[in-house]
Amino acid sequence: EAQVTQNPRYLITVTGKKLTVTCSQNMNHEYMSWYRQDPGLGLRQIYYSMNVEVTDKGDVPEGYKVSRKEKRNFPLILESPSPNQTSLYFCASSIGTSFTGELFFGEGSRLTVL
Amino acid sequence: QQPVQSPQAVILREGEDAVINCSSSKALYSVHWYRQKHGEAPVFLMILLKGGEQKGHDKISASFNEKKQQSSLYLTASQLSYSGTYFCGAPNNAGNMLTFGGGTRLMVKP
Repeated sequence: EAQVTQNPRYLITVTGKKLTVTCSQNMNHEYMSWYRQDPGLGLRQIYYSMNVEVTDKGDVPEGYKVSRKEKRNFPLILESPSPNQTSLYFCASSIGTSFTGELFFGEGSRLTVL
Repeated sequence: QQPVQSPQAVILREGEDAVINCSSSKALYSVHWYRQKHGEAPVFLMILLKGGEQKGHDKISASFNEKKQQSSLYLTASQLSYSGTYFCGAPNNAGNMLTFGGGTRLMVKP
């Protein structure tokens, strides 16, 4: 089954404790991206990757890092989480890089930073 | 800059119609529409490319006017399953980012 898988789905952590949210897709998609969703603000793009070893900042990259060492994986790293990073995070992938096709979203990871 | 959606929320009875609008202050190269049901991930509905063509998905259709930098989503004879939040998305001119509007929350009641 074609899918984007995120882990963990739910996480409660404390300020400053490094964490990684994994994302993996099995569709051989070139493009992958991370979004955060907050009430009233919609989906905001954090980082994206056009292909292996190619990553770039989205609209809200502060406090996040990403890497793309393999085509299928695109982990989101919070080196020192803060309470304002409490949010619902979605990983997404797309077959191409010119947005003529759809984005496939993972099920989401709800993160709470205390 | 995010596209602007209106209305922010709408409540319908089953069988009624609704229109959701999406506008941008920047040039629109294409418009994407997604629906997110409560507690779930956004799901792709359709994409509209330049040319003004209308597209359809079941009884949901959309139009795109690139001159006016606007798109509208039309929900006809709404069903309970249409409830959710609808997002429009606009790519940047490089085609490497997709920016979403703030969403329109649609509730269909029996």
